[in-house]
Amino acid sequence: QKEVEQDPGPLSVPEGAIVSLNCTYSNSAFQYFMWYRQYSRKGPELLMYTYSSGNKEDGRFTAQVDKSSKYISLFIRDSQPSDSATYLCAMSASAAGNKLTFGGGTRVLVKP
Amino acid sequence: GAGVSQSPSNKVTEKGKDVELRCDPISGHTALYWYRQSLGQGLEFLIYFQGNSAPDKSGLPSDRFSAERTGGSVSTLTIQRTQQEDSAVYLCASSTFKLPEQYFGPGTRLTVT
Repeated sequence: QKEVEQDPGPLSVPEGAIVSLNCTYSNSAFQYFMWYRQYSRKGPELLMYTYSSGNKEDGRFTAQVDKSSKYISLFIRDSQPSDSATYLCAMSASAAGNKLTFGGGTRVLVKP
Repeated sequence: GAGVSQSPSNKVTEKGKDVELRCDPISGHTALYWYRQSLGQGLEFLIYFQGNSAPDKSGLPSDRFSAERTGGSVSTLTIQRTQQEDSAVYLCASSTFKLPEQYFGPGTRLTVT
């Protein structure tokens, strides 16, 4: 079993809907949680970074971390066709000098 | 400012040949990471450099893989005697020493024929 599990999708939603993405993990040492967006044939682009449990909001994006359940989420409000991409969760145990462990990515398609 | 750059963007090589992939991190970032992204394995860590410290090579899949970082900036990932299973996208990322956020380059798509 992988350390970080993520539903591969694809997740298809109509424009304007809320996109809900999540990851589960098994390593309780993880404290830093990130969400990346990756367009086809491009490098991952950092969207959100959260430390430990709690919520963080940035524009249309909200990240939630529940360490007790080892579960993280990303919500995208008012989704746009330009949000169509693969979304990767990533996590690490320390602030720096530590590799990121990634989920497999969820492909999202926002239909106009 | 300029992001992480990688070259070449695409590389096709014959099985058994050596290849070199280059990464230019964001100016001022002291940490540099190499990852590999393939269909079956997702994104996997390969190697990490921080300043003048010894690199963390724990993710390198075999001794055919090596990397160096000169002058604390540019890094080169070398794959010797390439195999078909080495075909993947090789991604470089950099970060500041104190923060966990890593910023990725566009990647090098390697195809071994």
